Parts: sequence; C-alpha cells; structure tokens
Amino acid sequence: SQKIEQNSEALNIQEGKTATLTCNYTNYSPAYLQWYRQDPGRGPVFLLLIRENEKEKRKERLKVTFDTTLKQSLFHITASQPADSATYLCARGNTDKLIFGTGTRLQVFP
Amino acid sequence: NAGVTQTPKFRVLKTGQSMTLLCAQDMNHEYMYWYRQDPGMGLRLIHYSVGEGTTAKGEVPDGYNVSRLKKQNFLLGLESAAPSQTSVYFCASWSGQGSQPQHFGDGTRLSIL
Repeated sequence: SQKIEQNSEALNIQEGKTATLTCNYTNYSPAYLQWYRQDPGRGPVFLLLIRENEKEKRKERLKVTFDTTLKQSLFHITASQPADSATYLCARGNTDKLIFGTGTRLQVFP
Repeated sequence: NAGVTQTPKFRVLKTGQSMTLLCAQDMNHEYMYWYRQDPGMGLRLIHYSVGEGTTAKGEVPDGYNVSRLKKQNFLLGLESAAPSQTSVYFCASWSGQGSQPQHFGDGTRLSIL
C-alpha cells in the first residue's frame, strides 16, 4: 500500500538556523507531493507542491526537494523564526485523494 | 471569502447519541472530504464526494455516513456515537485540478463519553 512516513519526533532548532524535515514514501513515486502547515487548533494550510519531474521548488524562505531515487522529499526553512513553530504535514497525491503523513512538529526557540 | 467552514467547533456526546457535522465551502469546488485526526495517526480519510449527489468511502468509513445534497455542503453523520470516535474532524474541499491544494476548515473537536 502507498504510505507516507514522517519523523514523529519533534524537531527543535535555534532561531536563524535552517530546519530540515523529511518525508519518505513507499511504492511508486507519486505525481506530486504537497506540504502543509498546521497550527494547534487549526486546519492544515497549504505551503508548497512539487511534481515528480521537479527536483526543487522554492517559495521565499521555503525549499522543497523531490528525490525519486531515495523516495524522499525534504522540506527546508531557512533563517527559521519562532513563528515557524508548527506541525508540518507531507501528503502524496493519489488520483482524487491525498495520503498524509503523521506530521513533524517543529519548535524554533530564540 | 470564508473558504471552508465547519460547525460546530466543539461537541460532547454520550455513547449512543447521534449527531451531524456540517461543512460548507464557498469556492465552488467539486470535491469535498471528511478526515479524522488522532494523535500519532495523522489525517485519515473517512468519506469523500466527487460532486453534488455523490459519496464514496475512504480509509475509515465504518460508523459514519455522509450526504452531499448541495454542492457547497457536505454533512458527516454519526448514527450511534462510540468512544472510539472521539477525535478531531476536518473537512476539506478541492477544485479537482491536480496542481491545486485541498482547503481545510478548522475542525470539529468531538468527545464521546
């Protein structure tokens, strides 16, 4: 079955550093991967989409990579800020549905 | 532009009671989804709809029913609530275009005693 795996342990980093979150998938490569941000008590909010034929995508301080050999996507936040503290979800496209990972909680401390 | 709105935001039920969760979207999206989110389990798809009048089962459909009588609304029903259905429920909508994301509501926190 198709799965998405994210590190369930929280990631704690210091303000100003680069945060790197990992998303691994099983079986065949999805047509695209999506990354969402979720704050406590709120619904997920879309951040970035990267297609299978794209190696890298950037948006302001965010960067996503897609490695079909490693079956992995990396999500980077450069110059991290305390306001970046949240849970980040990875999802793979599956026809008209998404399969989500469990999310990784990021804590940026001053 | 409200996006996706879920009501109620919180609810406490006793085992065996029934209730309906309402989801409304104002983006004219064809697709709508109901998920539940539990600690350590991530978002799991309960039911979804590919258009007005249609519904389909997701990963964890047992104990739930849905209806999509109007394009903008998607209802999730619990006929006889069980403690295992204590969870946070999220509704989402999607335009149907592959490059577009799903849009989520802020959830309904449901406790079954």
